[in-house]
Amino acid sequence: DTEVTQTPKHLVMGMTNKKSLKCEQHMGHRAMYWYKQKAKKPPELMFVYSYEKLSINESVPSRFSPECPNSSLLNLHLHALQPEDSALYLCASSQPGLAGGSNTGELFFGEGSRLTVL
Amino acid sequence: SQQGEEDPQALSIQEGENATMNCSYKTSINNLQWYRQNSGRGLVHLILIRSNEREKHSGRLRVTLDTSKKSSSLLITASRAADTASYFCATGPYTGGFKTIFGAGTRLFVKA
Repeated sequence: DTEVTQTPKHLVMGMTNKKSLKCEQHMGHRAMYWYKQKAKKPPELMFVYSYEKLSINESVPSRFSPECPNSSLLNLHLHALQPEDSALYLCASSQPGLAGGSNTGELFFGEGSRLTVL
Repeated sequence: SQQGEEDPQALSIQEGENATMNCSYKTSINNLQWYRQNSGRGLVHLILIRSNEREKHSGRLRVTLDTSKKSSSLLITASRAADTASYFCATGPYTGGFKTIFGAGTRLFVKA
């Protein structure tokens, strides 16, 4: 069983909807990630939070808005998405190094939220 | 962005055979990791090898790293039907940071 929990598992939304994906971990990790994965492709990094601060934004369109309310939670707010945004969205967590500015290695992934945009 | 290529893209073997997957990357790295993904599920970390290591073992897994060639290989010995999955290598940047980037992946099918 994964220790990173993502909800919902499946989401269907129209292009005018506003929805959110949620991710929770209780491993005490202080780095949390959002990846996007299209079918038969590798995960692509979207955002990284370290100690609840946005550390990396990989030039993601503003229709995706991340939020890290506390050290255990990570949200991805979705608004005005396009059909090409349909994908598996994966959340991951890891333990930063002592200086807080880097990842010590292993990422722990949730099972993902499969998003379909109509 | 994608760090590198994996080879082969797909591999089909019989149960009991060994499976070898290769990964090449482009930039200097701090570490290289291998992950497994069952269809439509999350990724599971298998093994991490640091840039100053050349070989590492974990159960039926053997990973090698050649930083001069910017390549790594994952060997699964005595494969089982349950090993059927996609396997991805992922690299952590040499300068540190959080940018773990995944390779294209190898789809392994183990026939019972």
